[in-house]
Amino acid sequence: KAGVTQTPRYLIKTRGQQVTLSCSPISGHRSVSWYQQTPGQGLQFLFEYFSETQRNKGNFPGRFSGRQFSNSRSEMNVSTLELGDSALYLCASSPGEVYTDTQYFGPGTRLTVL
Amino acid sequence: AQSVAQPEDQVNVAEGNPLTVKCTYSVSGNPYLFWYVQYPNRGLQFLLKYITGDNLVKGSYGFEAEFNKSQTSFHLKKPSALVSDSALYFCAVPEDTGRRALTFGSGTRLQVQP
Repeated sequence: KAGVTQTPRYLIKTRGQQVTLSCSPISGHRSVSWYQQTPGQGLQFLFEYFSETQRNKGNFPGRFSGRQFSNSRSEMNVSTLELGDSALYLCASSPGEVYTDTQYFGPGTRLTVL
Repeated sequence: AQSVAQPEDQVNVAEGNPLTVKCTYSVSGNPYLFWYVQYPNRGLQFLLKYITGDNLVKGSYGFEAEFNKSQTSFHLKKPSALVSDSALYFCAVPEDTGRRALTFGSGTRLQVQP
C-alpha cells in the first residue's frame, strides 16, 4: 500500500500570501490529521477530519483552515502568511474513528515564509 | 489534558550497546502511548504503541518499549544500537480521552557512534 503523500514537498512564500497544502491518505483510511512542526514549539496539532467533517481543532488562529473531500483527501490553507508560519506541516492518516488507531504520517511539506 | 515528557534532549550510545530513550506520561484513565521516529527531512515513522496488555511492547526495527504504571514511564529500548538508528524520537499520547489529536514530547535526539 502506498503511504501518505503530501504535495508540494517544499514551498516558499512571502508574507501576506496564502498557501494550500495537499494530503492524500493511505488507501482506505478515512481520518486525516494535520500537525505543525517548528524548532521552537515542537509538534502541534492543527485539526482532524473524518468523513469530510472537522472533528477537532487545535489552538491556531482562524487563518489556518482545512477541508476533506469525499475521497478522504485533505487540504489545509493558511491565509495572510506570517514569518512564524514557517514550519514543516505534517499530515497523518488513520483507518477509522477509534482514537487509539495508529496515525501514519506523510513526509511533510516544508513551508518557508520570507 | 494529557501529556508526555522526554527528559533528555540527546542520548549518545556506541554501536552495539543497548539504548534507552526515556518518556514519562501524565494521563487520566487508561494510558495510550506511542513512539515515533523522525529521520532528517522526513515525516514521522510509527514504531510502536501501548494500548493494553503486556508491559513489554515490541515494535518495528527491533525496538521495544516498557510500560511501567507505577513510575508512569514508557521508555523505548533496543538491545543493540545501529548507526542507522541515529534520529529524533518522539513519544506521544492522545491529548485527551476520546480525542485523536496527539500531544508529543519535545523529542530526544539519538546519536549512535560507530
